[in-house]
Amino acid sequence: GAVVSQHPSRVICKSGTSVKIECRSLDFQATTMFWYRQFPKQSLMLMATSNEGSKATYEQGVEKDKFLINHASLTLSTLTVTSAHPEDSSFYICSARQASGGATETQYFGPGTRLLVL
Amino acid sequence: KQEVTQIPAALSVPEGENLVLNCSFTDSAIYNLQWFRQDPGKGLTSLLLIQSSQREQTSGRLNASLDKSSGRSTLYIAASQPGDSATYLCAVRLRVPGTALIFGKGTTLSVSS
Repeated sequence: GAVVSQHPSRVICKSGTSVKIECRSLDFQATTMFWYRQFPKQSLMLMATSNEGSKATYEQGVEKDKFLINHASLTLSTLTVTSAHPEDSSFYICSARQASGGATETQYFGPGTRLLVL
Repeated sequence: KQEVTQIPAALSVPEGENLVLNCSFTDSAIYNLQWFRQDPGKGLTSLLLIQSSQREQTSGRLNASLDKSSGRSTLYIAASQPGDSATYLCAVRLRVPGTALIFGKGTTLSVSS
């Protein structure tokens, strides 16, 4: 099946620094990528929808100036957590929707990035 | 607003038991429903995807059913094994092209040997 990678898989940073997370679709083109966040013992919550070449659409309550999303190509989307604070510590997962779509359209998930802000 | 609920939140069973995980959703206008497995600290593994026009899907020891009109899906696991221990997530996609999945909180399954 289709493969989505994320880098890094784990990052520890000091409060106030910025962290960039990459999401790549390795063997297909993704016009749309989604960024989710998962706190301990909670479900995945959608943060934003990223469309190639256009601005991301953020869910209510997600600060667009804090979580910068760039979808510069059909295979790469990046999420930058600016001025990270301990409350931003979470598991960030991206998913990519294959451009061709169709009746059996599926979203493929990356392995996730564990962020710990000290 | 679509909400997805999973019951129970946690389940412990001895090896070999058959079990059922439940998922309910409030808006029946879905495009499809998907069951995932998530191991601790890991990403998601897709188990089964059921299109809105389908009633069930099977893969090995797993069987998922969908009753769209009542807003319910079940995941049946036959002859459970310790390796089945994980969190199982149910997610639905709305009938709007290109929208994200909406997840339940999951059922954490523990199978003892």
